[in-house]
Amino acid sequence: DTEVTQTPKHLVMGMTNKKSLKCEQHMGHRAMYWYKQKAKKPPELMFVYSYEKLSINESVPSRFSPECPNSSLLNLHLHALQPEDSALYLCASSQVGKSPVLARLEAFFGQGTRLTVV
Amino acid sequence: SQQGEEDPQALSIQEGENATMNCSYKTSINNLQWYRQNSGRGLVHLILIRSNEREKHSGRLRVTLDTSKKSSSLLITASRAADTASYFCATDAENAGNMLTFGGGTRLMVKP
Repeated sequence: DTEVTQTPKHLVMGMTNKKSLKCEQHMGHRAMYWYKQKAKKPPELMFVYSYEKLSINESVPSRFSPECPNSSLLNLHLHALQPEDSALYLCASSQVGKSPVLARLEAFFGQGTRLTVV
Repeated sequence: SQQGEEDPQALSIQEGENATMNCSYKTSINNLQWYRQNSGRGLVHLILIRSNEREKHSGRLRVTLDTSKKSSSLLITASRAADTASYFCATDAENAGNMLTFGGGTRLMVKP
């Protein structure tokens, strides 16, 4: 199984709503990522979890709250979002690099959640 | 933050022609990867080249890496209409932990 599964595929939420995005992988990867992608732009890293611990937070506003309940699951909790937060949210997973030269960090991406904030 | 730039931003070619995309980056890297993204969907890993490698092939793909110039190129030979997509380079920077930073991307259109 080389899939990263994201749910839901599409989400429309109001600015006062609370919702969660979910991501699941069963490849034994111990690094998981959230990226945000606006139209015609590259993915921008939001968070990295390594061995279920948050290792990188790219100065993301607190209205985005990540959670890694176990090694297969990654959630992104959303609260009080703004219309400008509308984007494609991508989850990815990879092996954890151990040696800088030998590290193989091929990332497997989910199909994304298309989020619209109204 | 964006690691580098891709050139060109958009490329339109006829089926059967070759497509070349370039990527430049700013910091020392462990490896560089190329990904493909069909419109509005997830990214698919194409090829990884390590910092101590200069060229790599995979099917119709050829990737080069010049660490002295901090640049890479992706060549797709004998293009097909199905190759129409956006192509991104991504770098795994030294001392940056487990993170990939993506370039701006090249939108490739292959006309049948």
